[in-house]
Amino acid sequence: KAGVTQTPRYLIKTRGQQVTLSCSPISGHRSVSWYQQTPGQGLQFLFEYFSETQRNKGNFPGRFSGRQFSNSRSEMNVSTLELGDSALYLCASSRGQVDYGYTFGSGTRLTVV
Amino acid sequence: GENVGLHLPTLSVQEGDNSIINCAYSNSASDYFIWYKQESGKGPQFIIDIRSNMDKRQGQRVTVLLNKTVKHLSLQIAATQPGDSAVYFCAEKNSGGSNYKLTFGKGTLLTVNP
Repeated sequence: KAGVTQTPRYLIKTRGQQVTLSCSPISGHRSVSWYQQTPGQGLQFLFEYFSETQRNKGNFPGRFSGRQFSNSRSEMNVSTLELGDSALYLCASSRGQVDYGYTFGSGTRLTVV
Repeated sequence: GENVGLHLPTLSVQEGDNSIINCAYSNSASDYFIWYKQESGKGPQFIIDIRSNMDKRQGQRVTVLLNKTVKHLSLQIAATQPGDSAVYFCAEKNSGGSNYKLTFGKGTLLTVNP
């Protein structure tokens, strides 16, 4: 059974550019959540999607956006990149029920220069 | 790795000893808790979870204890092995309403000495 797949694994971008990250959840999982992990702030919730609808959003600026497709794959986009956006971006999938464990991917390491 | 620069609590144990990792959670309304293990270069890996209607749950070599009175969670690892070396995070969730996010603790770095 394939796990959560995130692409690309590594990315280097320049300030001001935009970036799109992709996440394919475990087959049958309909919920996809995104988290940002940095040394200073730890793991912080970005947003969660279920059946193409955003159900929760964390406390991040509007430059951070996401979407989910009918096959449950999700993308997140960061526009007008800032140096502080450098982080490990993690995607987690779950069945979407309130208390099923979330399975994480290996993340995308984004470096903004 | 991902945790360079993060001043994590650390726990250093000898191989074969038992380890206890503690976590204080913040929201008294949280009713679902998960422990994750994160190795360098990888995403968090699910270890064990517990609901608020329980105070103890056991898995293979791991036990989670929940004390709702003082909002405290602990993870016990029996016969710790070098492969257990990683950062351990607790996560809490309030299943009420339309909340689908996990709130993570800062993490604890466990080092197992052979």
